[in-house]
Amino acid sequence: VQLVQSGAEVKKPGESLKISCKGTGYKFPAYWIAWVRQLPGKGLEWMGVVYAGDSDTRYNPSFQGQVTMSADRSINTAFLHWTSLKASDTAMYYCARRAPLAGDSFDIWGQGTMVTVSS
Amino acid sequence: EIVMTQSPATLSLSPGERATLSCRASQSVGSNLAWYQQKPGQAPRLLIYGESTRATEVPARFSGSGSGTEFTLTISSLQSEDFAVYYCQQYKNWPLTFGGGTKVESK
Repeated sequence: VQLVQSGAEVKKPGESLKISCKGTGYKFPAYWIAWVRQLPGKGLEWMGVVYAGDSDTRYNPSFQGQVTMSADRSINTAFLHWTSLKASDTAMYYCARRAPLAGDSFDIWGQGTMVTVSS
Repeated sequence: EIVMTQSPATLSLSPGERATLSCRASQSVGSNLAWYQQKPGQAPRLLIYGESTRATEVPARFSGSGSGTEFTLTISSLQSEDFAVYYCQQYKNWPLTFGGGTKVESK
């Protein structure tokens, strides 16, 4: 059971970006996938969740309108999308699976995708 | 939004010692509390959920306790691999929120 994320990205302000998180070894469509941001040297921030079965989403109000979460069950992959990046989006982004029978805790984590936004 | 506050920010201990980490919620979260461990360059790892239930393959030296607004993660006898940053997370209300972390470092 694992989540494998896409590789590091270096982008310019204003550019768009979509990063991915592929689930293997379990029934991907049956679980919620969360996205978690970690600014350089800082703690963890929950951005929201997407249900991998139908792309139903719940956003942290702090991130609503800033990113879009989606999922494609046919390829067992969740996505996090920006239309116009800012320097302040520079961070490590993790996807994580909502743990079965453990509330909204997260038992499987991707390895992280480092996003660097710089002119 | 529920604010989670962890203390201390840093804990300096020697291998074999007992570590006691605290997490306080700005309002009651019941038992809807998880703990994670994060080592440098790695993703977080779930240790405890439901305030006291160890996740799969988590050693018995890790234990969680508390309820409501005050929670504790105890590592009974520190091993070298336990030096890391620990985060608590509440899942009583959305948005889910994490504490700022406690770094357990080798003395």
